[in-house]
Amino acid sequence: EAGVTQSPTHLIKTRGQQATLRCSPISGHTSVYWYQQALGLGLQFLLWYDEGEERNRGNFPPRFSGRQFPNYSSELNVNALELEDSALYLCASHPGHGKSNQPQHFGDGTRLSIL
Amino acid sequence: GQQVMQIPQYQHVQEGEDFTTYCNSSTTLSNIQWYKQRPGGHPVFLIQLVKSGEVKKQKRLTFQFGEAKKNSSLHITATQTTDVGTYFCAGRGGQNFVFGPGTRLSVLP
Repeated sequence: EAGVTQSPTHLIKTRGQQATLRCSPISGHTSVYWYQQALGLGLQFLLWYDEGEERNRGNFPPRFSGRQFPNYSSELNVNALELEDSALYLCASHPGHGKSNQPQHFGDGTRLSIL
Repeated sequence: GQQVMQIPQYQHVQEGEDFTTYCNSSTTLSNIQWYKQRPGGHPVFLIQLVKSGEVKKQKRLTFQFGEAKKNSSLHITATQTTDVGTYFCAGRGGQNFVFGPGTRLSVLP
């Protein structure tokens, strides 16, 4: 079984640019969660997609957005990048709504650096 | 909204000593999960607790879920250098998982 894949591994941008991060969940999983983890800090919830719809979003500005495709893969878009957006962005795959007793499976993350 | 707190934030122990991290939620949880993140790695699922007062063991790790389902603990007996990492609890109260800030464990050989 293939795990959760995220791309790219590293992404370097400058202030004001836009970044797109991608995530492919485990086959059969319909939910994707996005988290931001600044260096040395905890996981801050960004977005949750299930069955193609946005189910919930964390306390982040609207320039953080995303979508989930029919194959359940997902994109996270960050517009008007700011220095404090530098972080590890983790995607977690989950079997989906109604299976809350199942764990999340994390990808290796995308390290976004803003210069 | 639901908040999950963990203490301590950091813990430095000598190899062989015990370690405990505590997780507290502002609301009652339907379940709680524990994850470990090694330095440079991603969080990896350790265990889930569902029942009030539940206790589960994995070798040297003991996990407890409080009677009120608002707190949990992870205890490691006789730490080893392989235990180094950050331990996160994640509570599910509604539709969302809420992660605690984590406890970073350092083990000195």
